[in-house]
Amino acid sequence: RKEVEQDPGPFNVPEGATVAFNCTYSNSASQSFFWYRQDCRKEPKLLMSVYSSGNEDGRFTAQLNRASQYISLLIRDSKLSDSATYLCVVPPRGNSGYALNFGKGTSLLVTP
Amino acid sequence: NAGVTQTPKFRVLKTGQSMTLLCAQDMNHEYMYWYRQDPGMGLRLIHYSVGEGTTAKGEVPDGYNVSRLKKQNFLLGLESAAPSQTSVYFCASSYSDTQYFGPGTRLTVL
Repeated sequence: RKEVEQDPGPFNVPEGATVAFNCTYSNSASQSFFWYRQDCRKEPKLLMSVYSSGNEDGRFTAQLNRASQYISLLIRDSKLSDSATYLCVVPPRGNSGYALNFGKGTSLLVTP
Repeated sequence: NAGVTQTPKFRVLKTGQSMTLLCAQDMNHEYMYWYRQDPGMGLRLIHYSVGEGTTAKGEVPDGYNVSRLKKQNFLLGLESAAPSQTSVYFCASSYSDTQYFGPGTRLTVL
């Protein structure tokens, strides 16, 4: 299994819809997980951190399933401005500072 | 507070030329990183540094060198550019597991 795997999409959803992305990871020792958002031709920016079973921030909910080694990102009431690529991120094996393994990203397009 | 800045923003090189990409951060972070991002490949770690004067190899270090002479700066060097190094290069810094990225450098090697 690759370190981090995501469905690349694209996910095309209408405004107001609920959409969910999954991400699987291989390092069972990982304690922290992240979702980053990357807009077209821009740098990645942290969206959410997940240190225990989950995290919620407004319309965004991240959930962690350690037994199955996957994390999910749920977006409720999608907005046009949510259109972006969402990167699943986990720390790599071994000691490398705070280096992170990035998934290839899931593309979301919210349409009017 | 500018965060993480990168220079240049764009560059076109010919095969065999050399260049240095500069990353600077004003957040007093210990850790700094260089990534490259290619279509369909995601972000891949080139080199990283856990403090001033220290560097280490990441996932794809070949063809690149780095230096961290000052805590706030992390330089990425290409000694002899190759077309395979055409990419978008992102620098990042952190004090823990949250990374802050610069705006990127778009490099084309002809």
